Amino acid sequence: GDSVTQMEGPVTLSEEAFLTINCTYTATGYPSLFWYVQYPGEGLQLLLKATKADDKGSNKGFEATYRKETTSFHLEKGSVQVSDSAVYFCALQGGNEKLTFGTGTRLTIIP
Amino acid sequence: DVKVTQSSRYLVKRTGEKVFLECVQDMDHENMFWYRQDPGLGLRLIYFSYDVKMKEKGDIPEGYSVSREKKERFSLILESASTNQTSMYLCASSSTGYRNQPQHFGDGTRLSIL
Repeated sequence: GDSVTQMEGPVTLSEEAFLTINCTYTATGYPSLFWYVQYPGEGLQLLLKATKADDKGSNKGFEATYRKETTSFHLEKGSVQVSDSAVYFCALQGGNEKLTFGTGTRLTIIP
Repeated sequence: DVKVTQSSRYLVKRTGEKVFLECVQDMDHENMFWYRQDPGLGLRLIYFSYDVKMKEKGDIPEGYSVSREKKERFSLILESASTNQTSMYLCASSSTGYRNQPQHFGDGTRLSIL
């Protein structure tokens, strides 16, 4: 079945550091890929998505590129802020409407 | 903006009680989902529904049931609550559109079973 493996946390970085959170997936066919973010005390919000190979999703300075050859969708940001502290989830959506999530990566940014 | 509203942010119940978690969405979405979120396990799908009165089991349906009598409302029912059902429960909705529309989430209900 479908599965998502993402970098284990927690991850702690200083403000303005470069961020990478790794995500790889296993799926049949051509899934869509998502990054969701969960701020403290809230539900999940869509951060970005990509629906086909080589697509780049971007939002709020975050980027991720759908790499079919490496089955990866790594999340990157060039300069993180304290307000980026949250839990980040990588997810895939196959032929139906169901999402398969990774286990989440807790990110803490220190001033 | 899509609004998914869960009836309670925090809920405390006792073992053996029948528990209802309610979710309402305001965007006329066809699809609705219930997940539970546990540390180290991510989100796991309990049940989902593609349409009114339709339901399908997700990955961990045991001990739960659902009801969807109206398009905007999707209820999760714990028939006889147990302590291992203490968790964060998240509801989501999505439309059936071209190429995998994203899911929109509520703020969650943190349920404690004593």
